[in-house]
Amino acid sequence: DVKVTQSSRYLVKRTGEKVFLECVQDMDHENMFWYRQDPGLGLRLIYFSYDVKMKEKGDIPEGYSVSREKKERFSLILESASTNQTSMYLCASSSPGSHSYNEQFFGPGTRLTVL
Amino acid sequence: GEDVEQSLFLSVREGDSSVINCTYTDSSSTYLYWYKQEPGAGLQLLTYIFSNMDMKQDQRLTVLLNKKDKHLSLRIADTQTGDSAIYFCAESPMVGSGNTGKLIFGQGTTLQVKP
Repeated sequence: DVKVTQSSRYLVKRTGEKVFLECVQDMDHENMFWYRQDPGLGLRLIYFSYDVKMKEKGDIPEGYSVSREKKERFSLILESASTNQTSMYLCASSSPGSHSYNEQFFGPGTRLTVL
Repeated sequence: GEDVEQSLFLSVREGDSSVINCTYTDSSSTYLYWYKQEPGAGLQLLTYIFSNMDMKQDQRLTVLLNKKDKHLSLRIADTQTGDSAIYFCAESPMVGSGNTGKLIFGQGTTLQVKP
C-alpha cells in the first residue's frame, strides 16, 4: 500500500520557535509538495521539489523554507513561527509525467497551532 | 494567472443527486481533477478527465467538461452519508509541451448529506 506519512498529526508551538514538519513517501516519487490548507482558501502551494536538493517556490513561500536531502523525505521549516502560520499543512508526492495525468498522493496532514 | 473557483458549501438529502461546480482559467490544462478529502484525512484522487473529453462516467460519478466556458462539474448520483466530504477541483497547467507537475486547487466544496 503506497504511503505518504507526516511526522505529526497535531503540533502546538510558541511564537518565535523554529518548527520542522517532516514528510516521507515510499513510492520513489521524484516530485514532492508542501501545501497549507485554510478554510475558504483551499490548498495553497508553499514549496515543491522535483529532485533531491532541488526546490522551487510556490505561491506563498514567505516565512518558510524546505530541505530535500534524500529522495523520500521533504521537510518544511518555519524559521520563526508566527500566529498567522497556524494552519493545516499537507504534504504530497507524485511521479513526473510530461504527458500523463498527475496524481498527487497526500499525507494525512499536520494541524499546527502557533500560540 | 491560473485560478480555480468553486462554491464553498452544498447540502443535499440522502438519495438525491449532488452537483458540484468549478470554473478554471488555464485553457492549457490537459487534465482536470476531482479530489475528495474526508474528515481528518488528506486528499485522495476521486476521478479525472482528459481535456479533449466532454464527459466521463465512473459508477455513481459523472464528470462534465465544457472547455468553451472552462466549466467542470462533478455529479454524484444517489448521494450517501459516506459521501460527506470536501471536494476539490484542480487543474494542471502546462509549460511548453509538458506539464509542470503542479496542481492548482479550488477552494473546496463541503458536501453535507442529510439522512
